[in-house]
Amino acid sequence: EPEVTQTPSHQVTQMGQEVILRCVPISNHLYFYWYRQILGQKVEFLVSFYNNEISEKSEIFDDQFSVERPDGSNFTLKIRSTKLEDSAMYFCASSAENRGRSEQYFGPGTRLTVT
Amino acid sequence: GESVGLHLPTLSVQEGDNSIINCAYSNSASDYFIWYKQESGKGPQFIIDIRSNMDKRQGQRVTVLLNKTVKHLSLQIAATQPGDSAVYFCAENSRDNYGQNFVFGPGTRLSVLP
Repeated sequence: EPEVTQTPSHQVTQMGQEVILRCVPISNHLYFYWYRQILGQKVEFLVSFYNNEISEKSEIFDDQFSVERPDGSNFTLKIRSTKLEDSAMYFCASSAENRGRSEQYFGPGTRLTVT
Repeated sequence: GESVGLHLPTLSVQEGDNSIINCAYSNSASDYFIWYKQESGKGPQFIIDIRSNMDKRQGQRVTVLLNKTVKHLSLQIAATQPGDSAVYFCAENSRDNYGQNFVFGPGTRLSVLP
């Protein structure tokens, strides 16, 4: 069964450093997403990406964040200058085109710890 | 405002009993809903979805009920098993944003007792 993969599973970084979280979505999917989940809290939408551009982003996704699809398989989330409050699980998801809405498949997540 | 879910609502059920998990959604324009299961250390996993033109949908051992009048969604799990222990989230979506952004509820922890 196809699945979304994410690397690394755990990333520890110092405040102010840049991090890149990587995702490989399901190969025939066209929509890509990043969500985050602060420990013990609900899943929060960050950004959606379609046709090589951001289609929607939340208030959380400020200028410190960027996304990229550098090749045909990877989808990355970059945080330019990490803050303590960026510590969270970051989930990548992808979905097939189905009138714009279909099941989103989530990856296992990357736990980001900012010290 | 948003609730801080450090202490999730917990539902404890005996193995073999039926479980009912509830969710209230906020956006009256939402017309597509998904229930997700999240096990410890894993990402959310799709369970079942429902569109607003339906009020009930059944899957394998699961049923979702939608009451648009009171903006309420429920997930029923029949014959609950130990493997059903997880946090369950509902997520809502509306055509206003072309289906891109799902808003997740705070979650309910289901604990299955032997």
